[in-house]
Amino acid sequence: DTEVTQTPKHLVMGMTNKKSLKCEQHMGHRAMYWYKQKAKKPPELMFVYSYEKLSINESVPSRFSPECPNSSLLNLHLHALQPEDSALYLCASSPGQVVSNEQFFGPGTRLTVL
Amino acid sequence: DQQVKQNSPSLSVQEGRISILNCDYTNSMFDYFLWYKKYPAEGPTFLISISSIKDKNEDGRFTVFLNKSAKHLSLHIVPSQPGDSAVYFCATSTSGTYKYIFGTGTRLKVLA
Repeated sequence: DTEVTQTPKHLVMGMTNKKSLKCEQHMGHRAMYWYKQKAKKPPELMFVYSYEKLSINESVPSRFSPECPNSSLLNLHLHALQPEDSALYLCASSPGQVVSNEQFFGPGTRLTVL
Repeated sequence: DQQVKQNSPSLSVQEGRISILNCDYTNSMFDYFLWYKKYPAEGPTFLISISSIKDKNEDGRFTVFLNKSAKHLSLHIVPSQPGDSAVYFCATSTSGTYKYIFGTGTRLKVLA
């Protein structure tokens, strides 16, 4: 299994809603990532978990809350989002070794905040 | 401050010819470089990578060249095929970190 899965594929939410994005991989990877991608822009790193511990938070607003329940799962909890948070949210994983290596990306969740 | 730039937003190439995509970076601490391909409504797919101890890496139709003194890398696709039409991102990292920075992307169109 060389796949990263993300659910849901699309999400529309109001500014007062609470929702969660889910990501799963079964490749035994120990590093997992959340990226945000706006139209015609590159993916921007938000969070990195390595060995289930948060290792990078790129100064992301607290209305985004990541969670890594185990080595295969990564969640992104959303609360009180703004319309400008509408974007494609990408999850990725990598083996997590010290030497740099490639990331495997999921298909993304297209989020619209009304 | 864009640390990784792809100065050509788009590129059109005839089928069978060579596609050359370029990427420039500013931080000399970057020592690992990757190329990804992205189709609409899909996540990026890894293509090829190179570490700073090499200046060339080849995988089938894809070759990446690294010029450390110029802080420049390029991706050569030969021969180009219509299925190669996609957005290509370069990405950089520093060994031992999990931080990857993506370039601005180049949309490649291969004409049949």
